[in-house]
Amino acid sequence: AQKVTQAQTEISVVEKEDVTLDCVYETRDTTYYLFWYKQPPSGELVFLIRRNSFDEQNEISGRYSWNFQKSTSSFNFTITASQVVDSAVYFCALSEVEGGGNKLTFGTGTQLKVEL
Amino acid sequence: EAGVAQSPRYKIIEKRQSVAFWCNPISGHATLYWYQQILGQGPKLLIQFQNNGVVDDSQLPKDRFSAERLKGVDSTLKIQPAKLEDSAVYLCASSLERTSGSWDEQFFGPGTRLTVL
Repeated sequence: AQKVTQAQTEISVVEKEDVTLDCVYETRDTTYYLFWYKQPPSGELVFLIRRNSFDEQNEISGRYSWNFQKSTSSFNFTITASQVVDSAVYFCALSEVEGGGNKLTFGTGTQLKVEL
Repeated sequence: EAGVAQSPRYKIIEKRQSVAFWCNPISGHATLYWYQQILGQGPKLLIQFQNNGVVDDSQLPKDRFSAERLKGVDSTLKIQPAKLEDSAVYLCASSLERTSGSWDEQFFGPGTRLTVL
């Protein structure tokens, strides 16, 4: 069975600090996708990134960067120079490819609070 | 392009009452999902439709939950009768038709927040 663990329930930082959100996953599939979603107070889930299990290249998008390490089954998310608008709940998720269904398994989320 | 629409946004009912939620996916999206998000947890898939057929309903409590997507477009999720533990946000998402070995991004609606008293 698939499982996603986000051990950090809540993180508080001061604006402009860097922050890393941890994600550890379990799956028996050899082909899978990993995701990060942002859920602001409005409630909608906003897609941030998708990573294929065969692509371990780290990715940077503006202030966001992702570190995928298959050896440790981790897919961590770093926000550089955090801003108040980054305050939200962030979810890591996993989707199997084999067997069909496109089913997303989410972690329990990390509440990020960025204060002035 | 319009996003995924859901209504109502909020609903308060008493236990043992019935409730229904509506979702209109993005135009052209063949796949529709219903997720349940209990406070402090991540969303959990309840049911997935491909057009008007069910792909996965393994986590749907079928004794009280039902869902339909009759014309392959909009969908309704019903709870009858509701229990206290059904208090949650119900999220609808849609994606383009999935092909084998690929993944299509799921676009989420704003959700319906259900409170069962």
